[in-house]
Amino acid sequence: QVQLVQSGAEVKKPGASVKVSCKASGYTFTGYYMHWVRQAPGQGLEWMGWINPNSGGTNYAQKFQGRVTMTRDTSISTAYMELSRLRSDDTAVYYCARFYDSSGYPPYYFDYWGQGTLVTVSS
Amino acid sequence: EIVLTQSPGTLSLSPGERATLSCRASQSVSSSYLAWYQQKPGQAPRLLIYGASSRATGIPDRFSGSGSGTDFTLTISRLEPEDFAVYYCQQYGSSLTFGQGTKVEIK
Repeated sequence: QVQLVQSGAEVKKPGASVKVSCKASGYTFTGYYMHWVRQAPGQGLEWMGWINPNSGGTNYAQKFQGRVTMTRDTSISTAYMELSRLRSDDTAVYYCARFYDSSGYPPYYFDYWGQGTLVTVSS
Repeated sequence: EIVLTQSPGTLSLSPGERATLSCRASQSVSSSYLAWYQQKPGQAPRLLIYGASSRATGIPDRFSGSGSGTDFTLTISRLEPEDFAVYYCQQYGSSLTFGQGTKVEIK
């Protein structure tokens, strides 16, 4: 069965960086884009961007450009999201989510999600 | 960027009642790009509806989606205790956005 297992909670100081991992299993890792979505405490869902695990190509939401880097290691079926220059308002649960499309065509949706990783930014 | 506005913000209903949730887009969205998710406290979102009206695998038929263009609706025909949660719509056109969510709470 498809599983996305994320790394554990992190506590970081303002200005630092954090790298969250998302290990995929139960499917061909390179066959589906991986997206990252975050959720601040008590708030809604915010899309951060995606990585194509096959090519390594990425697309970031404008808000995060220059601060976020998404990478992958196909040998261990793992995607990573690194966020730099952390601020207190980056405190959130970060999710990876598998993006489904039909061979590149719609419909488009997230069919599997990781369990989430809480990142706390505090001095 | 397409903005999705969900209404109401909170819906207070009793089990057995019908819930109607709205998602309005700032520009026309292809139905193929519109999905709905349910999220319970401490859990990741769960896919309910994709392509505006197709139920995801394992989703009960009391959940239905409809709409086109800029107006989309999620309907829960008879609320079960496990349906009290927050619901999000999401679109993927030129960029990907979520609505701000509708909380369905027990009255």
